Amino acid sequence: GAVVSQHPSRVICKSGTSVKIECRSLDFQATTMFWYRQFPKQSLMLMATSNEGSKATYEQGVEKDKFLINHASLTLSTLTVTSAHPEDSSFYICSATGGVNTGELFFGEGSRLTVL
Amino acid sequence: AQKVTQAQTEISVVEKEDVTLDCVYETRDTTYYLFWYKQPPSGELVFLIRRNSFDEQNEISGRYSWNFQKSTSSFNFTITASQVVDSAVYFCALHNQGGKLIFGQGTELSVKP
Repeated sequence: GAVVSQHPSRVICKSGTSVKIECRSLDFQATTMFWYRQFPKQSLMLMATSNEGSKATYEQGVEKDKFLINHASLTLSTLTVTSAHPEDSSFYICSATGGVNTGELFFGEGSRLTVL
Repeated sequence: AQKVTQAQTEISVVEKEDVTLDCVYETRDTTYYLFWYKQPPSGELVFLIRRNSFDEQNEISGRYSWNFQKSTSSFNFTITASQVVDSAVYFCALHNQGGKLIFGQGTELSVKP
């Protein structure tokens, strides 16, 4: 199947700093990428949907100024957690698709963020 | 409203037992996809199955089988002769017309030797 790679897999940062997470589709063009967040012992919650070349659409309750999403190419989307706080510590996982109605979705390995 | 409910939060079985994980969904879309994923402690999501809403045939893959019942909006997952390596959190998810995946709460399966 198609491969989606996330980097870094783990990151520890100090409170107040910004962290960038990359999501790459390695062998297909991802017209749409999705960013999810998962707190311990909880389900995955969609944060935002990003389409290549346009602004991301954020789910209700997700601060767009805090979680900056850029989808500048068909193979790369980035999530930047700005001015991170300990409550932002979570597992962030992206998924990518070549067509939103195809049902073909591929997940990255996830990135575990710890904010001290 | 679109929703996925996995009523079983935790299940514990002994190795070699069969176990069924329940999934009930709500959607008004006529075309949708249903998924099951396995999430081991390492965190990555392992794809298990995708089912189109028009395909109600049950599926078997090795020790795994899935029962899709559109009449009851259920998509249950059975593991036959469970093994310790099956221990993980399992998520059922609904893929809607907009391409978003809506996840259930997850069922943590513990298979003891």
